[in-house]
Amino acid sequence: KQEVTQIPAALSVPEGENLVLNCSFTDSAIYNLQWFRQDPGKGLTSLLLIQSSQREQTSGRLNASLDKSSGRSTLYIAASQPGDSATYLCAVRRYGNKLVFGAGTILRVKS
Amino acid sequence: EAQVTQNPRYLITVTGKKLTVTCSQNMNHEYMSWYRQDPGLGLRQIYYSMNVEVTDKGDVPEGYKVSRKEKRNFPLILESPSPNQTSLYFCASRHRGGSYNEQFFGPGTRLTVL
Repeated sequence: KQEVTQIPAALSVPEGENLVLNCSFTDSAIYNLQWFRQDPGKGLTSLLLIQSSQREQTSGRLNASLDKSSGRSTLYIAASQPGDSATYLCAVRRYGNKLVFGAGTILRVKS
Repeated sequence: EAQVTQNPRYLITVTGKKLTVTCSQNMNHEYMSWYRQDPGLGLRQIYYSMNVEVTDKGDVPEGYKVSRKEKRNFPLILESPSPNQTSLYFCASRHRGGSYNEQFFGPGTRLTVL
């Protein structure tokens, strides 16, 4: 059974810091991995999707990497801003259709 | 604008009173699914649909029904809601097939069953 773990559970940093969020999964037979952002009481916004054959994806200040063999992904946020404060979720899609989610990392960026 | 919409956004009801949460997408996606999100348990899949008239159970299907009569709509039905179905519900969709197809989520429906 696929399990997804995110570390840390919560993170508080001053504005301007670069930071890394970690995601690990137990079964490397994945189709892709997706990072989402969730604001309080709101829906999920897709940030980055990495296919199983890819090593990383970039979008603006965000960079996500994938090491399928070791079951790990990281989300790197450069020059963090207060507007980045949210819960960040990673989810893996198995060879099928279901997304399996981690519990999320709650990020707070202090101004 | 490409989007997944859900209605209602907020609902308070009583035990046993049948309700339906609607979900609609305008991206011509084949695949749609329902998730519930609970503190400490994360997001869990309830049901999914690969295409019209094709549905299957996810991890937590008990107490829920779905139908897929049209490609754009995927309603979630609670025939006899109970307090343990109080949760935040999300509908999602994507194109079928391909590892490059990202999943899009609706804004969520917060359901309280008294």
